[in-house]
Amino acid sequence: GQQVMQIPQYQHVQEGEDFTTYCNSSTTLSNIQWYKQRPGGHPVFLIQLVKSGEVKKQKRLTFQFGEAKKNSSLHITATQTTDVGTYFCAGGGTNTGNQFYFGTGTSLTVIP
Amino acid sequence: NAGVTQTPKFQVLKTGQSMTLQCAQDMNHNSMYWYRQDPGMGLRLIYYSASEGTTDKGEVPNGYNVSRLNKREFSLRLESAAPSQTSVYFCASSLGGWDGYTFGSGTRLTVV
Repeated sequence: GQQVMQIPQYQHVQEGEDFTTYCNSSTTLSNIQWYKQRPGGHPVFLIQLVKSGEVKKQKRLTFQFGEAKKNSSLHITATQTTDVGTYFCAGGGTNTGNQFYFGTGTSLTVIP
Repeated sequence: NAGVTQTPKFQVLKTGQSMTLQCAQDMNHNSMYWYRQDPGMGLRLIYYSASEGTTDKGEVPNGYNVSRLNKREFSLRLESAAPSQTSVYFCASSLGGWDGYTFGSGTRLTVV
């Protein structure tokens, strides 16, 4: 069954507003990855977090891995229409059979 | 610089028909994966091949078979298609371990 939960499922924001999606695992993860899928497209790898409490930034995107390595978040500052898409987290660890389990994704709509 | 190539892009099958989805990567990746994506369900792993010559079941393997033909190619076969297998299928590859995945553009399959 699903081992990685992601909230919210949908988010509509006005252009310029901030956006955050959260990823939670029932088990401790070795690492977590984030992907972006544009409408009609395929998932594209964004980043990987490995260390407890790790924070990484990519321009307006900030990724965080929780201290307990059971949750993660992606925060986008001042959204733009190019941020539209679905954001997936994928958790991996020995408890997941050394494979990644994808979250259900958060679909972001940016209203111009 | 093709990356991961999937064929076909679209397919309509009648219940009970069989078909093979093809996937090839040119990045010299060791591991290859097959996922299905359904609305609200995220990406679910069907089968994977950690390295040439090995294949393993993922979360939802029933009704599918795979073949790792060589290092480049990993095919997914539906022996007797069912409407429940209507989905978008993605092939992915990675160097292995916890490396990020590169996805193909997907196959949209409808079983009627």
